[in-house]
Amino acid sequence: QMQLVQSGAEVKRPGSSVKVSCKASGGTFNNYALSWVRQAPGQGLEWMGGIIPIFGPAKYAQKFQGRVTITADESTTTAYMELSSLRSDDTAVYFCARGGNYFSWFDPWGQGTLVTVSS
Amino acid sequence: EIVLTQSPDTLSLSPGERATLYCRASQTVSSNYLVWYQQKPGQAPRLLMYDASSRATGIPDRFSGSGSGTDFTLTISRLEPEDFAVYYCQQFGRSQTFGQGTKVEIK
Repeated sequence: QMQLVQSGAEVKRPGSSVKVSCKASGGTFNNYALSWVRQAPGQGLEWMGGIIPIFGPAKYAQKFQGRVTITADESTTTAYMELSSLRSDDTAVYFCARGGNYFSWFDPWGQGTLVTVSS
Repeated sequence: EIVLTQSPDTLSLSPGERATLYCRASQTVSSNYLVWYQQKPGQAPRLLMYDASSRATGIPDRFSGSGSGTDFTLTISRLEPEDFAVYYCQQFGRSQTFGQGTKVEIK
């Protein structure tokens, strides 16, 4: 049974970047998609993008194109999500989650990483 | 983009009662691409139903799903204390989107 463990909470200044990691263990890493989904405080879920390590380049939601970069390191079974040009409305909990494909249901999920953007 | 609208926003019920949650899509969604999640405060979402009506591993049979086309339903036959949470539907037929959630709270 795969487990996803994310890096810890971050506090960032507007205009800066954040990179969140997601370490996978206990299952096949390369063949599945690892997606990133965010949730602003008190709000719903929003898919940002995902990567299938054996296929290479990530796919991104249009809203985040040009501002988010998702990568995966097969040697450490870790996925990364970097979001740049941070704004206050990027304050959210960021989840990684495994899917069967870029567009898929998600199971399991990481525990979430709170990113706070504040001056 | 397919918009998913869940109703009601909040459902106030007592333990033992039946809960019926709705998810309406702005365009037709294949039932193979409609899923439901449960999320409790401070936790990640948990997959409940896939293919609109199949329970995920470990999900008790008091949860059931149905629907097709643009209208989907999640039913909890008898609410247990641990079922009070927020429920989201998601479609991944065209890109992927989530509903805004329905909160099931204790009356």
